Amino acid sequence: QKEVEQNSGPLSVPEGAIASLNCTYSDRVSQSFFWYRQYSGKSPELIMSIYSNGDKEDGRFTAQLNKASQYVSLLIRDSQPSDSATYLCAVRYGQNFVFGPGTRLSVLP
Amino acid sequence: EPEVTQTPSHQVTQMGQEVILRCVPISNHLYFYWYRQILGQKVEFLVSFYNNEISEKSEIFDDQFSVERPDGSNFTLKIRSTKLEDSAMYFCASDGTRGTGELFFGEGSRLTVL
Repeated sequence: QKEVEQNSGPLSVPEGAIASLNCTYSDRVSQSFFWYRQYSGKSPELIMSIYSNGDKEDGRFTAQLNKASQYVSLLIRDSQPSDSATYLCAVRYGQNFVFGPGTRLSVLP
Repeated sequence: EPEVTQTPSHQVTQMGQEVILRCVPISNHLYFYWYRQILGQKVEFLVSFYNNEISEKSEIFDDQFSVERPDGSNFTLKIRSTKLEDSAMYFCASDGTRGTGELFFGEGSRLTVL
């Protein structure tokens, strides 16, 4: 059974702070990992992909991957109220992408 | 910017009826997917489609469901004999020519089964 786990939240951070979102996955075979953002009532939108152990930075976002621990994280620096959304971790298994339940982030002005 | 378009945005149907949800993927993309999201729950994989055939499908995607790409642009999901529990948001997604897994989602079709 291929599982992707996330804390459901809500995670509340003040504006300007760093938000840290975590994800664990069950199957060591996985090689591709993704973070999506989903605003309420909208479709998921890709933020970042990560394939290798370590950090990958894109603007205010940093994805971190630790395959030995089966752990993926997303850091959002200088959080803005517009970052308030549900963040979905997704893990690729062949042509099947398994999504976690999402973490709801609330950035307080 | 290229986008995935889905129609209808909302469909209401009676239990037992058939529905067809339509998607136009991004034009040069080769990998297509259907996902569903029941209200308040996670995004669930239904099926992936490549080179005019199903490449993977989930346990949810049973004989009640079918997909096709009838004309080289549209990608459809047919749900036969709808049930109450089929009520959900259905998302179409497409992936590029290399199948990197970076999915572009449409806005979704909300299906309500009464």
